[in-house]
Amino acid sequence: DIVMTQTPLSLSVTPGQPASISCKSSQSLLHSDGKTYLYWYLQKPGQSPQLLIYEVSNRFSGVPDRFSGSGSGTDFTLKISRVEAEDVGVYYCMQSIQLPLYTFGQGTKLEIK
Amino acid sequence: QVQLVQSGAEVKKPGSSVKVSCKASGGTFSSYAISWVRQAPGQGLEWMGRIIPILGIANYAQKFQGRVTITADKSTSTAYMELSSLRSEDTAVYYCARASLYDSSAYYMDVWGKGTTVTVSS
Repeated sequence: DIVMTQTPLSLSVTPGQPASISCKSSQSLLHSDGKTYLYWYLQKPGQSPQLLIYEVSNRFSGVPDRFSGSGSGTDFTLKISRVEAEDVGVYYCMQSIQLPLYTFGQGTKLEIK
Repeated sequence: QVQLVQSGAEVKKPGSSVKVSCKASGGTFSSYAISWVRQAPGQGLEWMGRIIPILGIANYAQKFQGRVTITADKSTSTAYMELSSLRSEDTAVYYCARASLYDSSAYYMDVWGKGTTVTVSS
C-alpha cells in the first residue's frame, strides 16, 4: 500500500504570513493516463473534510486563490500565500492512484498565532 | 444541492455490530460511488471501503476485510456501512463521502456527510 507522509504535523502561523505543508508518497502518483492523483483536504474544527485541491494543483470550486498546490511524482506541497483566521484546521493529503483504494496522510494541524 | 444525510449517534457494546446509513438527496445516486471514512478521536482520516450502488460492487481496505460490509439500496438512495465484532478502538466518527463514477472526478470525494459518532463501550 502507498504510504503518505506529511510534514510538519503542526504549524502556527501569524495572520497574513505564508504557510507550507509537504506531502510525500511512498510510490509515484503519476498515472499512465498522465494525471497525478494527489489531493488536499481541509477539515475545519467540528466539520467534515472539504476538498481544496485536486490533481496536485487545481483549486476546487469556491476555494480561495491564496491556496495553491504543486509537486510531481512523490513530492507535493500545499501553500497558503497569506493565512487567514478561517484557515485553521487539519490539512490532509490523499492519494487515489490505486483506486478504489484511498490513502490519507496523517494530517497537519494549522493554528493561528 | 447534493447532500449526504447520515444516521444518528450509536453506543454499542464490545463484540456487537453497528450499521450506519447515508442517504443521498439532490443528486443522481446511480452516478456515484459512496465511500466510508472513519476518524478516531484526535486521529486522522482512514478510508474503510466504498460501493458503486448501480453495480452493487464493494471494495474494502485490507484492514477491515471480513469485518465491514458496505451495501446500498438504490430505491431509497441510501448506502449502509456495517461493522461487526466491535472493540473500543472502533470508537470514531464515521463519514460517508461521494465520488463521481466518471472521468477523473472518480478519483476524489467531493461531498461528505456530517459524520456519525459510534462509541464502543462496556
